[in-house]
Amino acid sequence: SQTIHQWPATLVQPVGSPLSLECTVEGTSNPNLYWYRQAAGRGLQLLFYSVGIGQISSEVPQNLSASRPQDRQFILSSKKLLLSDSGFYLCAWSVKSSYEQYFGPGTRLTVT
Amino acid sequence: AQSVTQLDSQVPVFEEAPVELRCNYSSSVSVYLFWYVQYPNQGLQLLLKYLSGSTLVKGINGFEAEFNKSQTSFHLRKPSVHISDTAEYFCAVSRPSGGKLIFGQGTELSVKP
Repeated sequence: SQTIHQWPATLVQPVGSPLSLECTVEGTSNPNLYWYRQAAGRGLQLLFYSVGIGQISSEVPQNLSASRPQDRQFILSSKKLLLSDSGFYLCAWSVKSSYEQYFGPGTRLTVT
Repeated sequence: AQSVTQLDSQVPVFEEAPVELRCNYSSSVSVYLFWYVQYPNQGLQLLLKYLSGSTLVKGINGFEAEFNKSQTSFHLRKPSVHISDTAEYFCAVSRPSGGKLIFGQGTELSVKP
């Protein structure tokens, strides 16, 4: 069966520090991968999605970036965090022929 | 472009009472519709989906939803809720041609004893 992992589960970082969040999927190959951010009371916002290694589409301009160095690994990064980057970050995957997305457990990021 | 509106940000209800969580969408093309549930500090879990066919869709945990094309709605219902249904519920839409999901703002369901 397929599983999706995210780490770390929680993170507290000062303003201006770098960020790296990792997401890995097991049990499938060549998935579509997605990064969402969930701010309090504001629903889910799609940040990036990827249909293959090295292929990243950005949905919202911001100081975050994403990379997909391996087929089942998706990384969310920032060089300098802002207070507004605080939130709950969710990674998701889908099979290319399906419209269902499967979500990871999330990372709670607090920028202080 | 598609958009999703969840009409209620919070819905308090007593245990064993029926509940309806409302969702309206806007789109100029056909869409696929989904309901997800999120328990505190967890990821999202798919409750049910409408792709085509019968407009009444049954999902997990006793939930069902009805697709109404004329009213562009996809309301979620449960005839009798439990304390364990307390969670946030998200309606989402995607186009058949692409897999990106557009989410509503969420509805917080609070079930009280």
